[in-house]
Amino acid sequence: QKEVEQNSGPLSVPEGAIASLNCTYSDRGSQSFFWYRQYSGKSPELIMFIYSNGDKEDGRFTAQLNKASQYVSLLIRDSQPSDSATYLCAVYSDMRFGAGTRLTVKP
Amino acid sequence: DGGITQSPKYLFRKEGQNVTLSCEQNLNHDAMYWYRQDPGQGLRLIYYSQIVNDFQKGDIAEGYSVSREKKESFPLTVTSAQKNPTAFYLCASRRTENTEAFFGQGTRLTVV
Repeated sequence: QKEVEQNSGPLSVPEGAIASLNCTYSDRGSQSFFWYRQYSGKSPELIMFIYSNGDKEDGRFTAQLNKASQYVSLLIRDSQPSDSATYLCAVYSDMRFGAGTRLTVKP
Repeated sequence: DGGITQSPKYLFRKEGQNVTLSCEQNLNHDAMYWYRQDPGQGLRLIYYSQIVNDFQKGDIAEGYSVSREKKESFPLTVTSAQKNPTAFYLCASRRTENTEAFFGQGTRLTVV
């Protein structure tokens, strides 16, 4: 079974800070990765997709992929209270998710 | 509007009864997935189907069954063999591997 692991947190950061979320995976053949955000009681929504080594930026979000070290991370700059949610990492080849990291941004 | 619909949103059942959760999509997606989520936990894959009339077990298939008779529909039956069925169930679909998956709004099942 292909494993996806996340630091389960919870992670708490002050408003305006950078939040760093990490995910490691076991299958070296995995090519594509997704970060989903899930608000309490709601379904997940896609926020980032990355398939190349390096960084991908989208607004305040930056996804980083390091295939040699088998980790993918998500940075949230200028964190806002509305970013408070659970962030799920997914290996897209088999649609398996990590356990999620609960982020709280304190005003 | 295109999308993926799960119904009902809330479902209550007595212990020992089978219950079927509905998942319908009009996105013309080939692949569909069922997940279970417990409080404070991630998504665990129950079953998935990549084509009509074919489906595979995920990581926690015991006590569940599915069918895929139509491309648009992928119902999940929670059987009495599932020891702890109370959970939030999510259905997802996507066009092909490595494309975005869309989720339904989920069904919260409570067994009493």
